[in-house]
Amino acid sequence: DVVMTQSPLSLPVTLGQPASISCRSSQSLVHSDGNTYLNWFQQRPGQSPRRLIYKISNRGSGVPDRFSGSGSGTDFTLKISRVEAEDVGVYYCMQATHWPRTFGQGTKVEIK
Amino acid sequence: EVQLVESGGGLVQPGGSLRLSCGASGFTFSSFWMTWVRQAPGRGLELVSIINQDGSVNYYVDPVKGRFTVSRDNAKNSLYLQMNSLRGEDTAVYYCGREDWGPDYWGQGTLVTVSS
Repeated sequence: DVVMTQSPLSLPVTLGQPASISCRSSQSLVHSDGNTYLNWFQQRPGQSPRRLIYKISNRGSGVPDRFSGSGSGTDFTLKISRVEAEDVGVYYCMQATHWPRTFGQGTKVEIK
Repeated sequence: EVQLVESGGGLVQPGGSLRLSCGASGFTFSSFWMTWVRQAPGRGLELVSIINQDGSVNYYVDPVKGRFTVSRDNAKNSLYLQMNSLRGEDTAVYYCGREDWGPDYWGQGTLVTVSS
């Protein structure tokens, strides 16, 4: 199985400041069709997960533009340009290139 | 508006069975793969099973193979997960998701507790 490793696992941030989460996969996520199926999800406390980013860098419907994704191959990053209070929660990367689909361990974002 | 509503969770003894349902609305259900994802209490996410549009293709993660069966009824816009021989480690919130190379919409989840 593809192992997804996130860092850090805990991320205290100051409101208005940027934040960055790293996700590394144990093998390339480039699919035979040429796409890289790397997703980012946000799970606010007590809520279901919500997809923020798909195919590395595409924002989902209604996702604020302060969220951005980047990377390639096995190394990916989620960035929040200016953290807001509503961004508190756990963030997961997930690969959908290989079966079984696998998630990272999650990164807990909290306000300092 | 896309909506997914799970039901069928509850308390079951080890070795028991449970059938989860997921009702879909707001999109053409028969056009999408669908998925089940679970989250054990205080833990991360695990994608359990996935099924294609007409139910002819499905995949399962190793821990549930031979015990769980995913199915769908496109006429009823419904997704199902039959869970047999349940174990304590199956205790989790189970979410259904619309699949788009990763779940793009999620339900609110239904809690399954396996305990004597």
